[in-house]
Amino acid sequence: GAGVSQSPSNKVTEKGKDVELRCDPISGHTALYWYRQRLGQGLEFLIYFQGNSAPDKSGLPSDRFSAERTGESVSTLTIQRTQQEDSAVYLCASRGTVYNEQFFGPGTRLTVL
Amino acid sequence: AQTVTQSQPEMSVQEAETVTLSCTYDTSENNYYLFWYKQPPSRQMILVIRQEAYKQQNATENRFSVNFQKAAKSFSLKISDSQLGDTAMYFCACNSGGSNYKLTFGKGTLLTVNP
Repeated sequence: GAGVSQSPSNKVTEKGKDVELRCDPISGHTALYWYRQRLGQGLEFLIYFQGNSAPDKSGLPSDRFSAERTGESVSTLTIQRTQQEDSAVYLCASRGTVYNEQFFGPGTRLTVL
Repeated sequence: AQTVTQSQPEMSVQEAETVTLSCTYDTSENNYYLFWYKQPPSRQMILVIRQEAYKQQNATENRFSVNFQKAAKSFSLKISDSQLGDTAMYFCACNSGGSNYKLTFGKGTLLTVNP
């Protein structure tokens, strides 16, 4: 079956512009996570969605970051007024129900000039 | 809160030899899960192996095995018969239901397998 997909693969933007990143989880996975990976670093949790419950936004670094998910489908991560420190790879993962393991998408590399 | 520490930023091994990557963690949860993920230059995060904390038996997946020492909060990864394709960043991670199963990652170990 299809894995987690993300688009775009790469995004270059100018400082101050808004960007929107998309994630398509594995069909049937109700839990979805966004992580950020700065160059040479591990992954930092950003936000978590579980079905129709209120999302866990505890990892969002500022109010310029927001995310939405409709039901158990696609999620979008929006960064408003991008700054150079937002440059990173943004990874999305959906969680299976048997072993609680997370399956990752290929990520979006965001570069803010 | 959980923390994961990988103390080896870089390691190298000769092809066909065995290498062990270290990981220690801290958590206040009783039930938790531990994972090793591999990230090659393609940046795709690939699950290598998982361990449920309530299981005493060490997990194994083909050439990959772990040494899980619960009391010491240690979770090392052993790669046997190393292959060139094992060259990648390796991340140790932990999650638990108490934290919505969000993963806490270490900073990673860059493993290079030399021919």
